[in-house]
Amino acid sequence: EADIYQTPRYLVIGTGKKITLECSQTMGHDKMYWYQQDPGMELHLIHYSYGVNSTEKGDLSSESTVSRIRTEHFPLTLESARPSHTSQYLCASSEALGGYTGELFFGEGSRLTVL
Amino acid sequence: DAKTTQPTSMDCAEGRAANLPCNHSTISGNEYVYWYRQIHSQGPQYIIHGLKNNETNEMASLIITEDRKSSTLILPHATLRDTAVYYCIVRVPRADYKLSFGAGTTVTVRA
Repeated sequence: EADIYQTPRYLVIGTGKKITLECSQTMGHDKMYWYQQDPGMELHLIHYSYGVNSTEKGDLSSESTVSRIRTEHFPLTLESARPSHTSQYLCASSEALGGYTGELFFGEGSRLTVL
Repeated sequence: DAKTTQPTSMDCAEGRAANLPCNHSTISGNEYVYWYRQIHSQGPQYIIHGLKNNETNEMASLIITEDRKSSTLILPHATLRDTAVYYCIVRVPRADYKLSFGAGTTVTVRA
């Protein structure tokens, strides 16, 4: 079983609110990722991190921001939520060195609805 | 990462083997073939991966052709819980962090 956790699982919030989606993993993985997925659509990488204090934007432009102050924690923040941010956000992690197989471990996702 | 081509959808009878094809004709020598699946908007789940030899684990078997330009994921005895979107991905494990999933194949297992 993968040890990667996302909270909240579901969030309904009004326009203009600041939200933070939490993602934590207990596997000691250096690499972490955020994907965005609309219902029935493809996953799109929006942020990734090589390790502490390292963050990069993914292929899909996003107004969200991320931080990586601790290895195990990779939160995603939206300063001012809008209805266009309504989507599912999936966090993942993988190993970096030694025995690296390329396998990604995913959390169960955070489903965000902005009214 | 090399581009992959998968059928959009396929049906399978419960208890029968499901054979999911994937074409990756531009695969390079150091790229592996990975399979993931996503059940009803849950986070994708790793199934199996391989370089050139056939691989088997408790979930599935992976058959890679000798020229490595295509592969087949085999679910030996499909159950209703195997209904999911299956993604075939080709990549070098360490080289690129941008794992792209594509549209995948929607597999429906019918009773």
